[in-house]
Amino acid sequence: EVHLVESGGGLVKPGGSLRLSCAASGFIFTSYSIHWVRQAPGKGLEWVSSINSDSSDLKYADSVKGRFSISRDNAKNSVSLQMNSLRVEDTAVYYCARDAGVDPWGQGILVTVSS
Amino acid sequence: NFLLTQPHSVSGSPGETITISCTRSSGSIVSKFVQWYRQRPGSAPTTVIYENNQRPSGVPDRFSGSIDSSSNSASLTISGLRTEDEADYHCQSYDTNYHWVFGGGTKVTVL
Repeated sequence: EVHLVESGGGLVKPGGSLRLSCAASGFIFTSYSIHWVRQAPGKGLEWVSSINSDSSDLKYADSVKGRFSISRDNAKNSVSLQMNSLRVEDTAVYYCARDAGVDPWGQGILVTVSS
Repeated sequence: NFLLTQPHSVSGSPGETITISCTRSSGSIVSKFVQWYRQRPGSAPTTVIYENNQRPSGVPDRFSGSIDSSSNSASLTISGLRTEDEADYHCQSYDTNYHWVFGGGTKVTVL
């Protein structure tokens, strides 16, 4: 069975850093890009970042470019999202997902940026 | 870049048919595939339509997707509306760099 499990969320002050992880199982990890999508409280979905299978193509939304960094470890079937210079507006549930239209997504992890 | 605009809410009675639109602000809707996701409260999104009109296994044929180049929009139609269809629905496509672009989401209410 396919699973994506996010971890590393929590409460952080503005300007702080947090590292999210996405642990994958149940599928051939190297066959898929992995994406991060976030959802602020009561708002819609926002794509954040993606990494292709061999880490040669990293993409970022303009809202996080220069602050967030995505990486993957194919030996450990995991993807990380390093989030620096966090802002209040980065507060959201963060989901990891495979390619568009491919389920399941992870269950999501809450990141709260507040003083 | 472009926007995908969805109605804030759509409602219908059990058994009725509803349609949710997703209008692309610039560039052609046919240039990139559109996906539709259903999201129930407190849960992650799940795919109900991928590649414009394809249904994943397990999604009933009451759900259908289409593209209309004349209105530059995609549509999700739910026929035979059921109470379990009550959820938020999000459309998603791609920009020229293959960044995902989401619509604002539509809340479906079953009256």
